[in-house]
Amino acid sequence: EDKVVQSPLSLVVHEGDTVTLNCSYEVTNFRSLLWYKQEKKAPTFLFMLTSSGIEKKSGRLSSILDKKELFSILNITATQTGDSAVYLCAVGISYNNNDMRFGAGTRLTVKP
Amino acid sequence: DGGITQSPKYLFRKEGQNVTLSCEQNLNHDAMYWYRQDPGQGLRLIYYSQIVNDFQKGDIAEGYSVSREKKESFPLTVTSAQKNPTAFYLCASSIDRRGRAFFGQGTRLTVV
Repeated sequence: EDKVVQSPLSLVVHEGDTVTLNCSYEVTNFRSLLWYKQEKKAPTFLFMLTSSGIEKKSGRLSSILDKKELFSILNITATQTGDSAVYLCAVGISYNNNDMRFGAGTRLTVKP
Repeated sequence: DGGITQSPKYLFRKEGQNVTLSCEQNLNHDAMYWYRQDPGQGLRLIYYSQIVNDFQKGDIAEGYSVSREKKESFPLTVTSAQKNPTAFYLCASSIDRRGRAFFGQGTRLTVV
């Protein structure tokens, strides 16, 4: 059975801290791994990863994929209260099946 | 502005009634999807459509129906057969299933 597991489920930090969110997966026919940020309603796209070992970076956020160990991490440095959100990991499975599996999400709370 | 619009934002339904959630996009995307999100869980796929007049069941299609008569529109009907319909429903679109998805703001359905 295909599954995507995110950890931790929730995390509380203070402004300025650095956090690492984890996403592990067991799927058939892996195509891509995507990270989304969900603040209130609509998830917004952060990164799409398809190749191992290549870091994607956007400001204070970065992400990397390890296809051998079947996981990805999302790093946020110098956290701000605006980073508070649920971070969703999604894995795209097999182009023909056109399926995408989401993890349960990590709820990050950044306190001032 | 290009985007994806869901309506209504909040919906109340009596048990035994069917209700239809609207999803419209002007991004010229071929693929559209419906997800359900329950507290503490990730997004679960209800239905998806790759092209007009075609759609496929996701993991939790029972009690739901969809249509795709126009490229821009992908309405979801929650039927009385859905035993636990109270949830947050998200519609999304993408150029194809391999890439990033754009999400609507969601509809929160409550059965009273």
